[in-house]
Amino acid sequence: DAGITQSPRHKVTETGTPVTLRCHQTENHRYMYWYRQDPGHGLRLIHYSYGVKDTDKGEVSDGYSVSRSKTEDFLLTLESATSSQTSVYFCAISESGTANRVTQYFGPGTRLLVL
Amino acid sequence: AQSVTQLGSHVSVSEGALVLLRCNYSSSVPPYLFWYVQYPNQGLQLLLKYTSAATLVKGINGFEAEFKKSETSFHLTKPSAHMSDAAEYFCAVSEDQAGTALIFGKGTTLSVSS
Repeated sequence: DAGITQSPRHKVTETGTPVTLRCHQTENHRYMYWYRQDPGHGLRLIHYSYGVKDTDKGEVSDGYSVSRSKTEDFLLTLESATSSQTSVYFCAISESGTANRVTQYFGPGTRLLVL
Repeated sequence: AQSVTQLGSHVSVSEGALVLLRCNYSSSVPPYLFWYVQYPNQGLQLLLKYTSAATLVKGINGFEAEFKKSETSFHLTKPSAHMSDAAEYFCAVSEDQAGTALIFGKGTTLSVSS
């Protein structure tokens, strides 16, 4: 299994509060991603990072921000949580190089409930 | 734009029967294609991938998939289903452009009965 951990694994929070989810990898991979999974939608990309301090938006980035100050850590922040952000959040990583870059390995996920 | 269509949100088979999960994609360039499996309350595990080498790709747990460019398909098969195969399966595509996102289908839940 890829060395990816996510914390917390479960969180309940209230509408309007900020929330930060952490993804930590031990593989020294260059690329890191945040996805959300919702029933009937599969997984959708929120943000991704292609290096320290290098990030870009994905398909569903509104209401989310990210930071990557070290290779091993990629943080996802919900600036002011809303009920529509109740979801399961997955972190993924991939290596450099064409074929390796597109092959992504996923963490165990974080279940977030916004009340 | 890339997209993935998984035909059938639920597929039920008997133990020992053939498993066939369908995936069709749209892509403007030769794609990279993936199948992932997700067991309840777990993350996604890579089953197999097509990266422009052999069109018949073998993966873990006895699964395989065939890339058919003329049909824009990448269907997942297993000759004989096992109870442990019950899970949700996701097909995904990437064109490996500047944004390296995987585009996922909506998933197919496989049920296996004894």
